[in-house]
Amino acid sequence: AQSVTQLGSHVSVSEGALVLLRCNYSSSVPPYLFWYVQYPNQGLQLLLKYTSAATLVKGINGFEAEFKKSETSFHLTKPSAHMSDAAEYFCASSRGGGADGLTFGKGTHLIIQP
Amino acid sequence: DAGVTQSPTHLIKTRGQHVTLRCSPISGHKSVSWYQQVLGQGPQFIFQYYEKEERGRGNFPDRFSARQFPNYSSELNVNALLLGDSALYLCASSLIGYGTDTQYFGPGTRLTVL
Repeated sequence: AQSVTQLGSHVSVSEGALVLLRCNYSSSVPPYLFWYVQYPNQGLQLLLKYTSAATLVKGINGFEAEFKKSETSFHLTKPSAHMSDAAEYFCASSRGGGADGLTFGKGTHLIIQP
Repeated sequence: DAGVTQSPTHLIKTRGQHVTLRCSPISGHKSVSWYQQVLGQGPQFIFQYYEKEERGRGNFPDRFSARQFPNYSSELNVNALLLGDSALYLCASSLIGYGTDTQYFGPGTRLTVL
């Protein structure tokens, strides 16, 4: 069975500082990987996805993530945090077949300090 | 284009009752998936439907059922409600529902069981 682990339930950074949200996956076969963002009282919005075409994936709002097979990681970064980035972030994986849906991590709450 | 829509937005039920949640996918999308998000956790996969057929099911009891209609909209039914069913129920639509196909999430239905 797949699993996704997000290290740190809460991450706090200053406005303008680097954002780093960690995600590790557990799968015998490299899965498809996704990062979603959820703002309060809203559904999930896709930030970016890894499809095996390139290990460095660029997404919306200045976010990017790097797939590292040797570390089974897919960490999310943004060079300079903005107040509007404050939200809940979820890493998710899929085996691609659809029958299992997306497997989500528990989420990381990103706090931006002014 | 309209995104994924869900109704109702909020719902309050008592233990033992039955509930029906509704979802309309993005136009042209043929796959709908349902997820349960308990407060403080990541979403958990319940069902996926494609072309009106159940393609996948998560680890949920038989009290949970769903169906997809010819217009690709979907219903999630939960019988004999328990307090633990209180959660945000998310619907996601996608073109084909597997591989790297992006799942687009609706705003969710907040179910409270008293």
